[in-house]
Amino acid sequence: SQQGEEDPQALSIQEGENATMNCSYKTSINNLQWYRQNSGRGLVHLILIRSNEREKHSGRLRVTLDTSKKSSSLLITASRAADTASYFCATPLTGANSKLTFGKGITLSVRP
Amino acid sequence: NAGVTQTPKFQVLKTGQSMTLQCAQDMNHEYMSWYRQDPGMGLRLIHYSVGAGITDQGEVPNGYNVSRSTTEDFPLRLLSAAPSQTSVYFCASTSQGAGTEAFFGQGTRLTVV
Repeated sequence: SQQGEEDPQALSIQEGENATMNCSYKTSINNLQWYRQNSGRGLVHLILIRSNEREKHSGRLRVTLDTSKKSSSLLITASRAADTASYFCATPLTGANSKLTFGKGITLSVRP
Repeated sequence: NAGVTQTPKFQVLKTGQSMTLQCAQDMNHEYMSWYRQDPGMGLRLIHYSVGAGITDQGEVPNGYNVSRSTTEDFPLRLLSAAPSQTSVYFCASTSQGAGTEAFFGQGTRLTVV
């Protein structure tokens, strides 16, 4: 069953604005990952944050993890039209380190 | 760098036909998985493998078979295609299961009529 759930389901912003996407999960995890999927393509890994980390940066991406609230957020700063894509959070299934489960995704549209 | 390669990219099947979706990776990853992606459902795990000769079921395994005879290849077989199997199928591999980043193929869009 899917562990992560993203919010909102869809987000539309103007180029240059920041985009914030959230993910909540159900059981304890040892890491949480974010992926991007451009239309008609496979998923591409963006960033992985471990359970002992609270914040991580990669370029214009900032990810936070709050294990007490079982939630994570992905912030894309100074968005570009090329950031238009679907974004997914992914977590390992509890007790099964080989199984990575995905949420239903967030559709981000960045208007030029 | 090839990464994860899936073939074919598109396929149309008639109900009841069988076929094999191919997946190959050149990164020497032990872990490989198959997902299906349907509108509004996200990605759901079909089958996965933690190494050659070892496979296990995921969330939605019915109607699909897998085998893992080599580290590189992880084919997905549809035994008797049904319209409910119309979907986009993705193969993924990782070096350390769910503890590291997954690399995805470009997907196979399958339509069963």
